Amino acid sequence: GAVVSQHPSRVICKSGTSVKIECRSLDFQATTMFWYRQFPKQSLMLMATSNEGSKATYEQGVEKDKFLINHASLTLSTLTVTSAHPEDSSFYICSALRTSGNYEQYFGPGTRLTVT
Amino acid sequence: GQQVMQIPQYQHVQEGEDFTTYCNSSTTLSNIQWYKQRPGGHPVFLIQLVKSGEVKKQKRLTFQFGEAKKNSSLHITATQTTDVGTYFCAGRTGTASKLTFGTGTRLQVTL
Repeated sequence: GAVVSQHPSRVICKSGTSVKIECRSLDFQATTMFWYRQFPKQSLMLMATSNEGSKATYEQGVEKDKFLINHASLTLSTLTVTSAHPEDSSFYICSALRTSGNYEQYFGPGTRLTVT
Repeated sequence: GQQVMQIPQYQHVQEGEDFTTYCNSSTTLSNIQWYKQRPGGHPVFLIQLVKSGEVKKQKRLTFQFGEAKKNSSLHITATQTTDVGTYFCAGRTGTASKLTFGTGTRLQVTL
């Protein structure tokens, strides 16, 4: 199946700093990528839809100035958590939409962010 | 907004027993997908259902899409310890590309 990578897999940062997470589709081009957030033992909550070459679409309640998304190429989307706080600690997962076949979303392995 | 609920939230079975998780959407879905997430892992695509009343099988797994396209189920026959994980349904509405994930059902299988 298609492969989506995320980097870093784990990151620990101090409160007030910014963290960038990269999401890459390795063997297909993805005009659309999604960013999810998952708290322990909870479901995936969609944060935003990242569209190549245009602004991301944020879900209600997600601060666009805090979670900056850039989808500059067909294989790369980045999520930057700005001025991170302990409550931003979570598992961040991206997915890339393959628009052929089943319109499957291929998920990255996730990034565990811990803000101290 | 759209809500997708799953029941049960958690189920513990002995190996060899059957397992079913039910998924209910507050709105009509254009299609529904099922994912499995192992502890510490990321969701892995299992299947997509598109047609009203559709039934698909993958070995011991049987997936159904309701006639009204608002509910779905996943049934596992004769569970194995490798089935352990959280099963999520995820639905799309209309022509939207984004998925709304269900609340998930965590399955524990013991010998």
